[in-house]
Amino acid sequence: AQKVTQAQTEISVVEKEDVTLDCVYETRDTTYYLFWYKQPPSGELVFLIRRNSFDEQNEISGRYSWNFQKSTSSFNFTITASQVVDSAVYFCALSMEYGNKLVFGAGTILRVKS
Amino acid sequence: GAVVSQHPSRVICKSGTSVKIECRSLDFQATTMFWYRQFPKQSLMLMATSNEGSKATYEQGVEKDKFLINHASLTLSTLTVTSAHPEDSSFYICSAFRGNTIYFGEGSWLTVV
Repeated sequence: AQKVTQAQTEISVVEKEDVTLDCVYETRDTTYYLFWYKQPPSGELVFLIRRNSFDEQNEISGRYSWNFQKSTSSFNFTITASQVVDSAVYFCALSMEYGNKLVFGAGTILRVKS
Repeated sequence: GAVVSQHPSRVICKSGTSVKIECRSLDFQATTMFWYRQFPKQSLMLMATSNEGSKATYEQGVEKDKFLINHASLTLSTLTVTSAHPEDSSFYICSAFRGNTIYFGEGSWLTVV
């Protein structure tokens, strides 16, 4: 069975601090896809990144960066110099097939205070 | 702009009535759409996979007779909550795959009173 664990229920930081959101996944498949989504209070899910299991390169997009380590089954997300607008719930998700259904983690509430 | 659109964004209905939520893919065809449910302060759980022209595939524990899914066209899937009860109050969100990304609709907040 597939499972995604986001152990951090809630994180509070002060603006400009760096913050890392943890994600650990479980799957027996060798091919899989990992995602991060942002959910602001309005509810919609904003796509942040997709990573396939064969691509372990870390990625940086502006203030966002992701660290994918198959050895520890982790796909952590770091926000550098956090801003109040980053406050949201962040979900890590796993999919077995490209374009298929997602298994979500419990989500991490990020609160960035000014 | 939006790639997947849901309607209505918020709906309140009386207990015992039915309510329909629409999920549309904008400017692309989606043979498969997914419906998720999210209770307050919880994660998203897949309810069913909607397949154009065929029956939906429901996840274990989801009542197919209560949550009717119709995917009658390549751009529209509907979820009808029949005989709604207060415990059905939740956030319902759909998704579709386009290009290299899974896109989600804006979601629909259902409150059953």
